[in-house]
Amino acid sequence: KAGVTQTPRYLIKTRGQQVTLSCSPISGHRSVSWYQQTPGQGLQFLFEYFSETQRNKGNFPGRFSGRQFSNSRSEMNVSTLELGDSALYLCASSPLAGRTDTQYFGPGTRLTVL
Amino acid sequence: QQQVKQSPQSLIVQKGGISIINCAYENTAFDYFPWYQQFPGKGPALLIAIRPDVSEKKEGRFTISFNKSAKQFSLHIMDSQPGDSATYFCAASVGSGTYKYIFGTGTRLKVLA
Repeated sequence: KAGVTQTPRYLIKTRGQQVTLSCSPISGHRSVSWYQQTPGQGLQFLFEYFSETQRNKGNFPGRFSGRQFSNSRSEMNVSTLELGDSALYLCASSPLAGRTDTQYFGPGTRLTVL
Repeated sequence: QQQVKQSPQSLIVQKGGISIINCAYENTAFDYFPWYQQFPGKGPALLIAIRPDVSEKKEGRFTISFNKSAKQFSLHIMDSQPGDSATYFCAASVGSGTYKYIFGTGTRLKVLA
């Protein structure tokens, strides 16, 4: 069974731009969660989608948004990029909503904001 | 009160030695304590987890020790191998719910051959 895939793997943007990241979950998984990983803050939860609905949201500004499609694929969008948005963005899929013990992470998208 | 403090930040261990990573929390509502292992270029992978009704859980060479009164838990890697070299994260949550999942800042482990 294929794992969680994220595209692109690397991205360079400039301040003020917007970016869209994509995540394809493991087949059959309907929950997709997004995390931001930085050296200073570690792993921080962004939001979780299940069956195309956002179930939970972390403490991030409204510039961070997401959506999930009927095939469970998810996209995350960051508008008006800031230097501090440079991070590794991870998505994780699970067959169950709100269950981190059944969660599998993708390799991440490394975003650099110049 | 929502923090999970992890130490040390980095750790170097000889092959065959014991690696010990510690985490401390404040929120007594936390009741699920997982550890994740992350290799360079990969996402974290769930390694082992414990709930506060037990004081220790062992899976192969990996053991979680849990001290509820001290609000601390630790990961022990016995007979550490070079292949264990990775970054380890502890975490805590109320239930296994994603939205209340708090991660430690990570420990970079290097096991020397």
